[in-house]
Amino acid sequence: EPEVTQTPSHQVTQMGQEVILRCVPISNHLYFYWYRQILGQKVEFLVSFYNNEISEKSEIFDDQFSVERPDGSNFTLKIRSTKLEDSAMYFCASRELESTDTQYFGPGTRLTVL
Amino acid sequence: QKEVEQDPGPLSVPEGAIVSLNCTYSNSAFQYFMWYRQYSRKGPELLMYTYSSGNKEDGRFTAQVDKSSKYISLFIRDSQPSDSATYLCAMSRGGADGLTFGKGTHLIIQP
Repeated sequence: EPEVTQTPSHQVTQMGQEVILRCVPISNHLYFYWYRQILGQKVEFLVSFYNNEISEKSEIFDDQFSVERPDGSNFTLKIRSTKLEDSAMYFCASRELESTDTQYFGPGTRLTVL
Repeated sequence: QKEVEQDPGPLSVPEGAIVSLNCTYSNSAFQYFMWYRQYSRKGPELLMYTYSSGNKEDGRFTAQVDKSSKYISLFIRDSQPSDSATYLCAMSRGGADGLTFGKGTHLIIQP
């Protein structure tokens, strides 16, 4: 069964460093998303991406975040200058058709900022 | 007022019991309603998806949406210890809109 994959599973970085989180969505899916989940809190929407551009973004998704689909398979989230409060699980999700809203999630990347 | 309210539990029931999980929401623009299951430090796994009001059944799981009351439910029949997890409700307006999640209910099925 096709699934969303994410790498790395765990990333440790120093405050102020740049990190890139990688995702490979399900191959025939059209919409891509990033979410984050701070430990013990709810899953929060960051950004959606369709047709090679950002469709929607939340208040969390400020100038330090960017997304890119550098080739036909990868979808990345870049955090330019990490802060302690960026420590969280980051989930990528993808969706197939415009008529349905079933989003399938990857296993997540645990980001730890020291 | 939070957009999506969900009792975090924990909810502990004996094996074989019927489990009822629910969420309330405030945004009447939500059209799509989902239930996800999440194990500790793992990604959410889609269980049920419903568009607008009504019921949907899949095996031991039944999802209900009452848009007039802004209330959604998930029922699990013949609960098993393997059903122990955190259950997240999620909803959206559709299109490119991101999902708005509840905080999740931690469910424990006692053998």
